[in-house]
Amino acid sequence: DTAVSQTPKYLVTQMGNDKSIKCEQNLGHDTMYWYKQDSKKFLKIMFSYNNKELIINETVPNRFSPKSPDKAHLNLHINSLELGDSAVYFCASSQDSQGARPYEQYFGPGTRLTVT
Amino acid sequence: QKEVEQDPGPLSVPEGAIVSLNCTYSNSAFQYFMWYRQYSRKGPELLMYTYSSGNKEDGRFTAQVDKSSKYISLFIRDSQPSDSATYLCAMRASGTYKYIFGTGTRLKVLA
Repeated sequence: DTAVSQTPKYLVTQMGNDKSIKCEQNLGHDTMYWYKQDSKKFLKIMFSYNNKELIINETVPNRFSPKSPDKAHLNLHINSLELGDSAVYFCASSQDSQGARPYEQYFGPGTRLTVT
Repeated sequence: QKEVEQDPGPLSVPEGAIVSLNCTYSNSAFQYFMWYRQYSRKGPELLMYTYSSGNKEDGRFTAQVDKSSKYISLFIRDSQPSDSATYLCAMRASGTYKYIFGTGTRLKVLA
């Protein structure tokens, strides 16, 4: 009964490759996020979708492209991977319309990406 | 100046101590305040969620928000070695979708 799940957990790949990370939430939330966490544990928001609509698009290289096929899924595709893309990527979700627990944000377990 | 400031630690305390973790912020529009616990190689886990000012208690954890001072705290009573983790504060303003995180405080509780 995992709330927010991500696949894969680990991803090791070479520079120049293209890779995707998938995220699914079963909390019934309407908003999903991608964060990047660097080695110093700082969480930086990358993208957010609300009801499949892109609402946050931070200053991220356009090699990163998110896609939300439905409210429960948010994927992240990365083209032409670079060494600096190595980090842990977290998916998160929250309920942004009125509800029992608005704005509480829940995170997935993370995808540790290593680019060699 | 960062929107949210958090002492990175590390903070080492003996088992059973009361731990105080803090964040200060500059944006007076923040209304939703959260504390997360993150164990090594795991995702952040939501510990406490508070709307606006006041206190909230859950077991050994108490969250306090002082909007007049732009200061939030997390207290951990009777700290245990299993509380050793990085604690992140997060905040959000009404009408926005963006959560702003502190840099996290590393806590080590010594047995």
